[in-house]
Amino acid sequence: DIVLTQSPATLSLSPGERATLSCRASQSVSSSLAWYQQKPGQAPRLLIYDASSRATGIPARFSGSGSGTDFTLTISSLEPEDFALYYCQQRSNWPLTFGGGTKVEIK
Amino acid sequence: QVQLQESGPGLVKPSGTLSLTCAVSGGSISSENWWSWVRQPPGKGLEWIGEIYHSESTSYNPSLRSRVTISVDKSKNQFSLKLSSVAAADTAVYYCARDRSRTGGSYFDYWGQGLLVTVSS
Repeated sequence: DIVLTQSPATLSLSPGERATLSCRASQSVSSSLAWYQQKPGQAPRLLIYDASSRATGIPARFSGSGSGTDFTLTISSLEPEDFALYYCQQRSNWPLTFGGGTKVEIK
Repeated sequence: QVQLQESGPGLVKPSGTLSLTCAVSGGSISSENWWSWVRQPPGKGLEWIGEIYHSESTSYNPSLRSRVTISVDKSKNQFSLKLSSVAAADTAVYYCARDRSRTGGSYFDYWGQGLLVTVSS
């Protein structure tokens, strides 16, 4: 299985700051990577797919980049509603796998 | 707007079978999408369980394949999950989700709200 390692585990930032989240794959997944946001008690929400394409209705402050084994999710200016858990997921190899998550918390 | 809703028992005894159903509304389960189950143990990350197409083609996570069956009921516009020989490690929130790809094995654009299933005697 492809292992996705997310870092940092927790990111403490203030509203308005820039958030940079990392996802590293144990082997190349090309551009076959997605990012999800999850808030407490809610299902994940698709933010980014194919490494850099924003899903429907996702604000432009969310952007994704990377290919191969190293990927980044950037939130350009944190809004209060962006403080949540973020997961990456690969679709390059079976089985589909998710990273362990990064929590973005209010500093 | 596609909506998914999980239903089933919230408590299952060890060694028993977990059975959940996902009702799809606002769209047809016979559309060109695959339909998945994903689970999340309390306080932990996400694990993909498997998926099904309306033609009843399936794909399962090898780690669970021997215990999992996913089926579809087109007449009721729903699909189901059965997980046998459950243990405490199977305690999780179970989500159903739609795979956005026509070929499967992709990303999930619609999710149910999730159902906590606890395995305990």
